[in-house]
Amino acid sequence: QPVVTQSSSASASLGSSVKLTCSLNSGHSNSIIAWHQQQPGKAPRYLMKVEGSGSYNKGSGVPDRFSGSISGADRYLSISNLQSEDEADYYCETWDNKYWVFGGGTKLTVL
Amino acid sequence: EVQLLESGGGLVETGGSLRLSCAASGFTFSSYAMTWVRLAPGKGLEWVSGITDNGENTYYADSVKGRFTISRDNAKSTLYLQMNILRAEDTALYYCARTLKWEHDYWGQGTLVTVSS
Repeated sequence: QPVVTQSSSASASLGSSVKLTCSLNSGHSNSIIAWHQQQPGKAPRYLMKVEGSGSYNKGSGVPDRFSGSISGADRYLSISNLQSEDEADYYCETWDNKYWVFGGGTKLTVL
Repeated sequence: EVQLLESGGGLVETGGSLRLSCAASGFTFSSYAMTWVRLAPGKGLEWVSGITDNGENTYYADSVKGRFTISRDNAKSTLYLQMNILRAEDTALYYCARTLKWEHDYWGQGTLVTVSS
């Protein structure tokens, strides 16, 4: 079963950029992952899928400020020109056969 | 517009049962697998259960296997989660989500389940 690891928190200033990391365990380093955003008090929102090749496909209406990338077993969510509404929990998710696994989430604070 | 509307949550005693529903609209329900995910207080998202588009195959997290049953009625565009032998640790917001290829691309607003002793 895959294991997905995320930092518990991150912070960055309004208007700046941030890169959130999702790490996959050995044996799953080529896995596809998805990023979801959960703003306070709201339902999760699908942001994008990041393939093992590094390509990414965003969900409907996701701003251009959001992008994905990879390096080895790490998957990244980059957000540029941070806005106050980007303050949220960000979850990485992957899938293996008959199980879906979420990372613990990263709480992003916009200063 | 894709819409998913959960219902059926509430307060239940330990050992009790609840049946959650998720009414889908805005897409061809029978063409998509569906999933239940929960968010417990102070915790992160946890996948609970999934079902294929035709309902033939179902999948469960170890934490709910043998106690929860996922099902669907494609004629009614509705997803269900029957939850039995509920425990305090099942207290959470329960979301239904549409499964695209394997990723969850649309989420409902959630329904709250509280299990008390």
